[in-house]
Amino acid sequence: QKEVEQNSGPLSVPEGAIASLNCTYSDRGSQSFFWYRQYSGKSPELIMSIYSNGDKEDGRFTAQLNKASQYVSLLIRDSQPSDSATYLCAVRTNAGKSTFGDGTTLTVKP
Amino acid sequence: DAGITQSPRHKVTETGTPVTLRCHQTENHRYMYWYRQDPGHGLRLIHYSYGVKDTDKGEVSDGYSVSRSKTEDFLLTLESATSSQTSVYFCAISGTSGGGLGTDTQYFGPGTRLTVL
Repeated sequence: QKEVEQNSGPLSVPEGAIASLNCTYSDRGSQSFFWYRQYSGKSPELIMSIYSNGDKEDGRFTAQLNKASQYVSLLIRDSQPSDSATYLCAVRTNAGKSTFGDGTTLTVKP
Repeated sequence: DAGITQSPRHKVTETGTPVTLRCHQTENHRYMYWYRQDPGHGLRLIHYSYGVKDTDKGEVSDGYSVSRSKTEDFLLTLESATSSQTSVYFCAISGTSGGGLGTDTQYFGPGTRLTVL
């Protein structure tokens, strides 16, 4: 079992729809959770971080964390073609190392 | 960008030759990381550093060594490059906060594309 697993892609949604990206992790000691966006040929950039159970909203993005279920998700509302990218889930323990999922590629079709 | 540069940005080399990649930061962040990214494998940690001369192995450290003699520089060396080390290499940095290591965000450099023939 991988330490961090993301829903297999690619994921395609029409412009204006909600895109839902999911991630599960195996280490119950994990404390910090991150979503990075990576455009093709570019480096990952942070879009959301979440540390406590519940929802965290930032503009069109909402991260959801459920530590009991070891599950973290990212919702993108009103998806735009510019949201087309690979989204990486990262989980970090207090030991200081992060483990990344393999990524989910999202395509938003106009 | 968070003041991270990588050099070279592209390199083609032959099997068996030594290769050194450099990561340089201007943020004075304590932690530095080297990842490789391959299709189907996401980002995998090679080595990381938690201070000058303090380094530790990641999940895919075989065939790689690192050094950090200054806060701002973190070097990744492939002693004898192999074709399996063809990849995109990313350096990342993170700082510290009152909440401890677990709250820190990583910022990534632009990447180095390495091809080993």
